[in-house]
Amino acid sequence: DQQVKQNSPSLSVQEGRISILNCDYTNSMFDYFLWYKKYPAEGPTFLISISSIKDKNEDGRFTVFLNKSAKHLSLHIVPSQPGDSAVYFCAASSNDYKLSFGAGTTVTVRA
Amino acid sequence: DAEITQSPRHKITETGRQVTLACHQTWNHNNMFWYRQDLGHGLRLIHYSYGVQDTNKGEVSDGYSVSRSNTEDLPLTLESAASSQTSVYFCASSEWGTGVDNEQFFGPGTRLTVL
Repeated sequence: DQQVKQNSPSLSVQEGRISILNCDYTNSMFDYFLWYKKYPAEGPTFLISISSIKDKNEDGRFTVFLNKSAKHLSLHIVPSQPGDSAVYFCAASSNDYKLSFGAGTTVTVRA
Repeated sequence: DAEITQSPRHKITETGRQVTLACHQTWNHNNMFWYRQDLGHGLRLIHYSYGVQDTNKGEVSDGYSVSRSNTEDLPLTLESAASSQTSVYFCASSEWGTGVDNEQFFGPGTRLTVL
């Protein structure tokens, strides 16, 4: 049973606008939540993360929000740029250092 | 610069053959992981290792095996390849107490086709 879910397989956004990607999880033991970005024919690369003791983390154009009571997190990209077109994976981890991934959301930024 | 490499990048094989995918990291990380990526499933954990001589099964381990004889390498073996094992395979590594929030570093992937 998938413990991390990304229910939107794709997202199309205009350049300069905000992209919002959502992720839900079921395992209350998860301590860390990560977002990875993946381009075709490349491995996933780490983008941003948040620990369960926080509710927000920012890094430049990227912000991750965590709502522990709802078991929900979101990634905001502002402003969206053409280079942001990629597949974004949500992942979660507990103290065993294993990652559980969602199915991914393909983001397309339109000029 | 430290890195993680995978070979081959592409492999075509036949049903029933044994196949080994290589993973080599120069981060000196103790933790290494193998995932497969399939449409609609994201990345699913096959096997993982926390150090030399340690191996553990992940959520989709049937038909796969790994061995860890040194820190740098974690080869993944498909004992008898099946068409259901056609996928893209990623190796990753991490280290206790370093990185950001249990971050893992990924290799470039191996695309395996089983005919």
